[in-house]
Amino acid sequence: NAGVTQTPKFRVLKTGQSMTLLCAQDMNHEYMYWYRQDPGMGLRLIHYSVGEGTTAKGEVPDGYNVSRLKKQNFLLGLESAAPSQTSVYFCASSYSTHGDTQYFGPGTRLTVL
Amino acid sequence: LAKTTQPISMDSYEGQEVNITCSHNNIATNDYITWYQQFPSQGPRFIIQGYKTKVTNEVASLFIPADRKSSTLSLPRVSLSDTAVYYCLVGVAWNQGGKLIFGQGTELSVKP
Repeated sequence: NAGVTQTPKFRVLKTGQSMTLLCAQDMNHEYMYWYRQDPGMGLRLIHYSVGEGTTAKGEVPDGYNVSRLKKQNFLLGLESAAPSQTSVYFCASSYSTHGDTQYFGPGTRLTVL
Repeated sequence: LAKTTQPISMDSYEGQEVNITCSHNNIATNDYITWYQQFPSQGPRFIIQGYKTKVTNEVASLFIPADRKSSTLSLPRVSLSDTAVYYCLVGVAWNQGGKLIFGQGTELSVKP
């Protein structure tokens, strides 16, 4: 049972390049989330999904797109990376309960030059 | 939107009990209160969750008064390994239009 895994762990992009971050969970969770965390700050929700084939915007969705084609995977895309998107990205998942305990991945450190 | 307010930082010594209070004046009837711990370069980790009164597990206790406008995370006999950032989280994403907010958290520093 690997829990929540994220690929890649590190990435450096040039402004304008695109990339996709992959999140996978093996706990059969319904809900999945993408957060970003900037130095010295808390986590901010980018997008989330309440089930396969569904996505919704979080607090800071601009510049990102997501897809949930399979229940176990949640992809975060940057179509045209900007330096302001330099951050650590965390994926999380949770059961479809009112308690919503989230299980987090190890994070992806992204630098946009 | 159940915005939370916590102290930015706290200091403690090994063996002491640490209490971190979180204010959430706008908590909704259906909202649970969840606390997470985050070490540098790691994702947050679930510590404890509650709805009202007191909850205790093997690592912490959570005290919630009757009005539920605040909650207190209690860490008994802290050690150096408890040095981390602690986040109070209220509610769930889909009940708040996607504006689930962790806040800046409380940076706890445990000294020998």
